[in-house]
Parts: sequence; structure tokens; C-alpha cells
Amino acid sequence: KAGVTQTPRYLIKTRGQQVTLSCSPISGHRSVSWYQQTPGQGLQFLFEYFSETQRNKGNFPGRFSGRQFSNSRSEMNVSTLELGDSALYLCASSLDDPQLYEQYFGPGTRLTVT
Amino acid sequence: KNQVEQSPQSLIILEGKNCTLQCNYTVSPFSNLRWYKQDTGRGPVSLTIMTFSENTKSNRRYTATLDADTKQSSLHITASQLSDSASYICVVSHPRYSGAGSYQLTFGKGTKLSVIP
Repeated sequence: KAGVTQTPRYLIKTRGQQVTLSCSPISGHRSVSWYQQTPGQGLQFLFEYFSETQRNKGNFPGRFSGRQFSNSRSEMNVSTLELGDSALYLCASSLDDPQLYEQYFGPGTRLTVT
Repeated sequence: KNQVEQSPQSLIILEGKNCTLQCNYTVSPFSNLRWYKQDTGRGPVSLTIMTFSENTKSNRRYTATLDADTKQSSLHITASQLSDSASYICVVSHPRYSGAGSYQLTFGKGTKLSVIP
């Protein structure tokens, strides 16, 4: 069974631009969560999608948004990029509620904002 | 504020030695506590998941313990190998107090373990 895949793996953007990251969950998994990881803050939860609906949300500004498609694939968008958005963005999938089911993480997208 | 604190921040041990990583949390109540291993440049991989009623759980050379009374967990690595070099992250899953039925995962900042020959 294929694992969680994320594209692109690396990205360099300029301040003010926007970016879209993609995540394909494990086949059969309906929940997709997004996380931001930085050396100073560690892993921080962005949001979780289930059946095309945002089911849970972390404490990030509205510049961070996401969506999920009917095949459970998910995208995350960051608008008006800031230098502080430079981070590793991780996607994780699970069968259902991540609180109850094991999460499987993708390799991440390394975003650098200059 | 719900927090998960891990110690030490970093650790260097010789190959073949044992080590113990600590995780203290203030979250209450909680659903489960997880330990993840994250190799450099890769996503985290689950090692163990324990509910509040479990005391010990093992996964090969990794043994996690949980003391819900003192709100402490530890991850013990036996007979370390070079491939154990990674960051180890403690995560607590708990109800989110704003929004009915919502949950929250609170992550520790991790312990960076280096195993040297």
C-alpha cells in the first residue's frame, strides 16, 4: 500500500506570493491533517479535513486555508507569504478521527520564503 | 495552557547503550499519548500509542511508560543502534474545549537523539 505523498517536496517563494501544497492520503483514509514544523515551535496543527469538510482547526491566521476533494486528496494554500512561513509542512492521513486512529505522515514539503 | 514538555532537548549516546527520554504534560483530561520517531528530512513515524489506562507499551526495542497520576511518560530505547538517531516527539491527544466534539493534538518539541559508534 502506498504511503502518504506530498508535492512538491521543496519550494522557494518570495514574500507576498501565495503557494499551494498537495497531499495524497493512503488509500481508504478519509481524514487528512496538516501541520507546520519549525525548529523553534516544533509541530503545530493547522487543520483537519474529513469528507471534504474542515472538521478541526488550529490557531493559525486566515492566510492559511485548505480543502479536500472527493477522493480525499487535500490541498493547503498560504496567501501573502511572510518570512516566518518558512517551514516544513507535513500532511498526515488516518482512517477517521486522528484522536482514535493512527496517523501516517508524509515526507513533507519544505517551503522557503525569501 | 495545555503543554507538553520533553527532556532532554538533545542526547548523545554510544551505540549499544540504553537511554530514556522524558515527556511531562499538563493536559487534562487526555485521550491518548503517542511517541513518534522522526528521521531528518522525513515525516514522523508512530512508535507507540497509549490510552490513559495503559502503563507500558513496547514496540521492538522501544518501551513507553505512562504515569497518568504524575502526568509523565518516558520512552526507553534498549541496545541503541545508529539508525535510532532521530528526533523523538511526544504527542498528547485531548478534548478541545472550544467546539463540541473537537479534539486537539499537542506536540512536544522533541528530543534529538544521536547514536555514535
